[in-house]
Amino acid sequence: GAGVSQSPRYKVAKRGQDVALRCDPISGHVSLFWYQQALGQGPEFLTYFQNEAQLDKSGLPSDRFFAERPEGSVSTLKIQRTQQEDSAVYLCASSLATGNEAFFGQGTRLTVV
Amino acid sequence: QQQVKQSPQSLIVQKGGIPIINCAYENTAFDYFPWYQQFPGKGPALLIAIRPDVSEKKEGRFTISFNKSAKQFSLHIMDSQPGDSATYFCAALPMYNTDKLIFGTGTRLQVFP
Repeated sequence: GAGVSQSPRYKVAKRGQDVALRCDPISGHVSLFWYQQALGQGPEFLTYFQNEAQLDKSGLPSDRFFAERPEGSVSTLKIQRTQQEDSAVYLCASSLATGNEAFFGQGTRLTVV
Repeated sequence: QQQVKQSPQSLIVQKGGIPIINCAYENTAFDYFPWYQQFPGKGPALLIAIRPDVSEKKEGRFTISFNKSAKQFSLHIMDSQPGDSATYFCAALPMYNTDKLIFGTGTRLQVFP
């Protein structure tokens, strides 16, 4: 596709529900990143993949957060037992390789009620 | 802790003015400093970036000034236009961990006609 595509654009979850957020990176991009952006704040790093390998997950806030990229293309960020503090925009970005420009998707706005 | 400090939080200028956004960092291991522009409902988009071996970089109406000794860098927007109204984020990338962009808190710029 032309850019990084994320779905859904908006998600409302009841507290305690599990959610799955999808990211389709730009075709051929090796590196994939997930960021969390709270309202009025800058994005904060969550995790990084190089192809299917998750090389850095140091930003995941708790063990309720899990990300995968099984075939080195599409990635899913899963949040189990959602809490109100998980409400944020979740941004996915991809780049041709580490150190190259990262292109961001439009994000998924998650609201936990 | 805040690794990249950004100011001001918001900025209002008239069309044609030159808004200046400032960022400061502590970590001398940062060696790549991009600026991102984000419109409402969109992901951040790379605007311009600089490495610490130069003191200034210009691309069109956007200029980064970099002061390595002071560990500060700033974005200047020449001849600002209403279409420049957006949130701007500075960021930094450490040389030892090239997958993890560290973002500032953002500056909301409004340019009035």
